[in-house]
Amino acid sequence: DAGVTQSPTHLIKTRGQQVTLRCSPKSGHDTVSWYQQALGQGPQFIFQYYEEEERQRGNFPDRFSGHQFPNYSSELNVNALLLGDSALYLCASSFGRQAAFFGQGTRLTVV
Amino acid sequence: RKEVEQDPGPFNVPEGATVAFNCTYSNSASQSFFWYRQDCRKEPKLLMSVYSSGNEDGRFTAQLNRASQYISLLIRDSKLSDSATYLCVVNPRAAGNKLTFGGGTRVLVKP
Repeated sequence: DAGVTQSPTHLIKTRGQQVTLRCSPKSGHDTVSWYQQALGQGPQFIFQYYEEEERQRGNFPDRFSGHQFPNYSSELNVNALLLGDSALYLCASSFGRQAAFFGQGTRLTVV
Repeated sequence: RKEVEQDPGPFNVPEGATVAFNCTYSNSASQSFFWYRQDCRKEPKLLMSVYSSGNEDGRFTAQLNRASQYISLLIRDSKLSDSATYLCVVNPRAAGNKLTFGGGTRVLVKP
């Protein structure tokens, strides 16, 4: 049983560009959440998708958007990249209120 | 005040010793509590859920004190492989699975 998978694992982008990160949830999970983790800090909640809709959102600007597909996979899009967007982006999947499981993350570097 | 606060450490622990640390949370209506473990540059991995009655998993014991709004983690007979950052995680809502992370407590087990 594959766990949560994310792609790509590493990415380098230039300021002002746009990026799309992808996540496939663990089998049986229907909820996908995205987190941003800066170096030395705990993950910060970006948003959560359930039934193809954004259900909850953290304190992130509209430059951060997402999508969930009928197969529960999800994308995170970030427009107009800033240097401060450099971080590890984590996808977590869950079912109901059970514990969430994380993918290995995408390490984004903005130069 | 941060929603979830942890002592960042590091806690330097001799191999075989016991170490314990707490995490405080601000939302008294929080519903679910977890400890995750995160190794350097890796994704968080679920260590254990924390139940109201307290729970134990091998050398790890978690406690919840709702009156004082903190959870604790105790590690007995520490192993070198226990060296990691331990993330306290709270789900503040009854619905959905938005996780709020503490900044993590770093534990270093030394021979």
